[in-house]
Amino acid sequence: ETGVTQTPRHLVMGMTNKKSLKCEQHLGHNAMYWYKQSAKKPLELMFVYNFKEQTENNSVPSRFSPECPNSSHLFLHLHTLQPEDSALYLCASSQELTMNTEAFFGQGTRLTVV
Amino acid sequence: AQTVTQSQPEMSVQEAETVTLSCTYDTSESNYYLFWYKQPPSRQMILVIRQEAYKQQNATENRFSVNFQKAAKSFSLKISDSQLGDTAMYFCAYQRGSNYKLTFGKGTLLTVNP
Repeated sequence: ETGVTQTPRHLVMGMTNKKSLKCEQHLGHNAMYWYKQSAKKPLELMFVYNFKEQTENNSVPSRFSPECPNSSHLFLHLHTLQPEDSALYLCASSQELTMNTEAFFGQGTRLTVV
Repeated sequence: AQTVTQSQPEMSVQEAETVTLSCTYDTSESNYYLFWYKQPPSRQMILVIRQEAYKQQNATENRFSVNFQKAAKSFSLKISDSQLGDTAMYFCAYQRGSNYKLTFGKGTLLTVNP
């Protein structure tokens, strides 16, 4: 266990559904991240939050909507997704938003869009 | 843009033997950091080892060591005395010295056989 917990572990949703992914960290970290991991592709950074404020949106489609109510929780709200959005979504946190700071990852949510 | 290349999609090794995973990167920066992350079947990414580019000495963590060749922009991971628990995807990652963002390679799937 790395101290970062993601729920659910698996999610199957239709293209018209609305669902949310949850991430919680118990490490007292100030920065949190959403990554997308697709088969045979490098991890893609989606969003970054620092002290609850969004500092990065890496050209992510608006059908993905992040929310960070406090430094310990991060959500990813999903609506009207496409089949190509099927992937493993990883949450991570780090103490600070600086270089050479270790990122701690959750176990991910395996999302399948049908 | 920085890129990270892992040329070996899959590798296998016998238990107790040594294996080397390769990684090359492209950058014009002089100050940066390099990481190897491990993602076992549980899907939780774990930091294995890190290297600061300004340090000439290769990093070592128990059975894991790196061969950092700055001029060649190469950062290989050597695993000694391989164990079954080393079976995982291994990702090489680059971080620019002035930024927190991690750029990942596509990964190498390592299988340790009994």
